[in-house]
Amino acid sequence: RKEVEQDPGPFNVPEGATVAFNCTYSNSASQSFFWYRQDCRKEPKLLMSVYSSGNEDGRFTAQLNRASQYISLLIRDSKLSDSATYLCVVNREGGKLIFGQGTELSVKP
Amino acid sequence: DAGVIQSPRHEVTEMGQEVTLRCKPISGHDYLFWYRQTMMRGLELLIYFNNNVPIDDSGMPEDRFSAKMPNASFSTLKIQPSEPRDSAVYFCASETGSGELFFGEGSRLTVL
Repeated sequence: RKEVEQDPGPFNVPEGATVAFNCTYSNSASQSFFWYRQDCRKEPKLLMSVYSSGNEDGRFTAQLNRASQYISLLIRDSKLSDSATYLCVVNREGGKLIFGQGTELSVKP
Repeated sequence: DAGVIQSPRHEVTEMGQEVTLRCKPISGHDYLFWYRQTMMRGLELLIYFNNNVPIDDSGMPEDRFSAKMPNASFSTLKIQPSEPRDSAVYFCASETGSGELFFGEGSRLTVL
């Protein structure tokens, strides 16, 4: 079993739709959590950190459930420019950053 | 700041040849990571350094792979001898310990 697992996708949604991605992690000692975005043939970039209380950045909302070892990302009112691969990242003790496989999102007109 | 700089951007080589990938991290970043990305396996952590010291190399596939960080501004990942299954995009990334990784543009390796 992989240490960080995500919905495989792809998710094909129309513009304006709300879409949610899920991620589970297996190591209960994981300390911090992030969502990264990767555009086609580009390097990954930080989208947002994930806090226990949940956090929002515009149309994006991230949630963490430590008890269930589960992280989510919600995108509201999706735009064409949101099309990308979304990567769940877990920071283990000692600074080791582990990436999930990624979920591909395609937003259509 | 120029960001993380990797070279070469693309390399095509023949099986059995030695490959050396290079990385210059962002100045002041204490952590440096080497990742490999393929369609099948996604982003895999190969090795990471803290203050130039290798902390965890458990992701290095086999003895053919080696990585060094002789100083705070330079790291290499070497594959010798290379094999077709090593074909992938190799990313170098650095960070301060906050969890925000800054990636280079990657080195796309093709081994024929």
